[in-house]
Amino acid sequence: EAGVTQSPTHLIKTRGQQATLRCSPISGHTSVYWYQQALGLGLQFLLWYDEGEERNRGNFPPRFSGRQFPNYSSELNVNALELEDSALYLCASSSKWGEQFFGPGTRLTVL
Amino acid sequence: QKEVEQNSGPLSVPEGAIASLNCTYSDRGSQSFFWYRQYSGKSPELIMSIYSNGDKEDGRFTAQLNKASQYVSLLIRDSQPSDSATYLCAVNPGGQGAQKLVFGQGTRLTINP
Repeated sequence: EAGVTQSPTHLIKTRGQQATLRCSPISGHTSVYWYQQALGLGLQFLLWYDEGEERNRGNFPPRFSGRQFPNYSSELNVNALELEDSALYLCASSSKWGEQFFGPGTRLTVL
Repeated sequence: QKEVEQNSGPLSVPEGAIASLNCTYSDRGSQSFFWYRQYSGKSPELIMSIYSNGDKEDGRFTAQLNKASQYVSLLIRDSQPSDSATYLCAVNPGGQGAQKLVFGQGTRLTINP
């Protein structure tokens, strides 16, 4: 069974630009979660999508947004990038029992 | 008060010994609990799930849950250098089923050969 995939692996942007990160869940999983992990810090919940709808949102500004497509893949958009947005962005998908399985992550660097 | 608390460590354990990792949570209605292992620069890997009070064993790993004390732990027997990683405790505050997870800050574990 293929795991969660994310692209790109690395992304380098400059302040003020926009970043788009992509995620494909495990086959059969309908829920996709996005987390931010800044260097040396814990996982901070960003967004949760299920069946194409945004179900919950973490304490992040509106310039963090996303969507889920009919095939349950998802993308995370970060507008007006700031230096502190530099982090590992993790996508996870979950079974109906709530176990979340993570992709390899996208490391975003903002210069 | 943080929703999920872990001792950040580092926790240093000699090879072959038992490593004990602890986690407390604040939401008494939580029903699902998870332990993840995260190697430096990598994404978290699910190693244990526990939903009922008591112990759950899987190989060298044992998860223990005490809902009355709002406490969940992970024991690693016969610790190996490859167990050196950060261990994240995660709680589903909304009960079972798909929900956002709340993560602790993680405990950094080092196994000394």
